[in-house]
Amino acid sequence: NAGVTQTPKFQVLKTGQSMTLQCAQDMNHEYMSWYRQDPGMGLRLIHYSVGAGITDQGEVPNGYNVSRSTTEDFPLRLLSAAPSQTSVYFCASTPVPGQGTYEQYFGPGTRLTVT
Amino acid sequence: TQLLEQSPQFLSIQEGENLTVYCNSSSVFSSLQWYRQEPGEGPVLLVTVVTGGEVKKLKRLTFQFGDARKDSSLHITAAQPGDTGLYLCAGGYNTDKLIFGTGTRLQVFP
Repeated sequence: NAGVTQTPKFQVLKTGQSMTLQCAQDMNHEYMSWYRQDPGMGLRLIHYSVGAGITDQGEVPNGYNVSRSTTEDFPLRLLSAAPSQTSVYFCASTPVPGQGTYEQYFGPGTRLTVT
Repeated sequence: TQLLEQSPQFLSIQEGENLTVYCNSSSVFSSLQWYRQEPGEGPVLLVTVVTGGEVKKLKRLTFQFGDARKDSSLHITAAQPGDTGLYLCAGGYNTDKLIFGTGTRLQVFP
C-alpha cells in the first residue's frame, strides 16, 4: 500500500491564483481530513469528510473548498490564493473508528508559498 | 473551544538523558494520541490511550494518560539522536475531529 499520497510536494502561487492540492489514499479509509501547519500554531483542521459525498468544515475553512466523489480522493481547492495561506498542508485518512479514536494517517505534505 | 497545551515548546538535550513532555487540557478527553513528526514529513502515530490512568510503553517511550483524562505525558528514557523530532499530542472530545497541541520540538545531540 502507498498509504496517503499528496501532490505536489512544493508549490509557489501568486496572490489571486487558484489551484488544487491532490490527496489520495489506498487503505479504504472512510474519513479524510485536510490540515494546515504553521509555526507555533500546530495542526489546524480545514475541512474533513466522513465518507464519499459528505464533507464538513473544520476550524479554518475560509478560502478553501473540498469535494469527495470517491473514497480514495479528497482534493483541496484554493479559490483565490492569499499570502495568509502560505503554509504546509497535510492530508490524513482515518479508518472507521472502533473506539472513537480517529487515528490519523498523514501524507507527506505540500509546502505552499503565496507571494 | 478546546485548547491543548504542550510543554515544553523546545527541548535540547544530550544523548542518554531522560525527558518528559506534557499535554494538558481544561476539558476531558475521550481519547488521546501522540504523534512524532520529522522534518519534511507528515506526523506518524505513536500511541493512542483511551482509559484514565492508562500507561503504554513503546520501547524507551512511556505514555501515561491522567486519571481524570485531562492530561497526558510522554517520557523518553535514555534519549537517542533518532528521537529528534516534533512531538504532537492530539485529543478527541467525543466528536469526529481531533484537536492538536502546538507541539514539543526535541533535539537530541550525540
